[in-house]
Amino acid sequence: GAVVSQHPSRVICKSGTSVKIECRSLDFQATTMFWYRQFPKQSLMLMATSNEGSKATYEQGVEKDKFLINHASLTLSTLTVTSAHPEDSSFYICSASLPTGELFFGEGSRLTVL
Amino acid sequence: SQQGEEDPQALSIQEGENATMNCSYKTSINNLQWYRQNSGRGLVHLILIRSNEREKHSGRLRVTLDTSKKSSSLLITASRAADTASYFCATDGNDYKLSFGAGTTVTVRA
Repeated sequence: GAVVSQHPSRVICKSGTSVKIECRSLDFQATTMFWYRQFPKQSLMLMATSNEGSKATYEQGVEKDKFLINHASLTLSTLTVTSAHPEDSSFYICSASLPTGELFFGEGSRLTVL
Repeated sequence: SQQGEEDPQALSIQEGENATMNCSYKTSINNLQWYRQNSGRGLVHLILIRSNEREKHSGRLRVTLDTSKKSSSLLITASRAADTASYFCATDGNDYKLSFGAGTTVTVRA
């Protein structure tokens, strides 16, 4: 199946700094990528939908200035957590879709903000 | 927003037994999918069932869908220790955005 690579898999940062997470589709072009957030022992919550070459669509309650999403190419979307705080500590997962709608997920990135 | 609810939240079974988990949802769907997540990892797609299908099999997995009751079940037969994971159902409408259920944590004891 298609492969989606997410980097870094783990990141620890100090409060107030910004962190960038990359999501790449390695062997296919993804016109749409999705970013999810998952708290421990909870389900995935969709944060935003990222379309190549256009602004991301954020779900209700997600601060777009806090979570900057850039989808510069058909194989790369980035999520930047700006001015991170301890409450932003979470597991962030991206997914990329084929034109058929089939989704492939990255391995996730665990962010810990001290 | 989260549309699905899964039942039970946690399930512990002996290796070789069957595991059944259920998922209910609220709005009309195009497809319902089941995913597995090992601890701290991404999601692995298990099976997709379309809204006009009632049952689907894949290896040791059997999925049913009852659109009148807005519910689905996932059965794992002859469970193995490697099946220990969290299982999520996810529904989608026309925009491919998935809405995930709360998940069922399955522990298979050797």
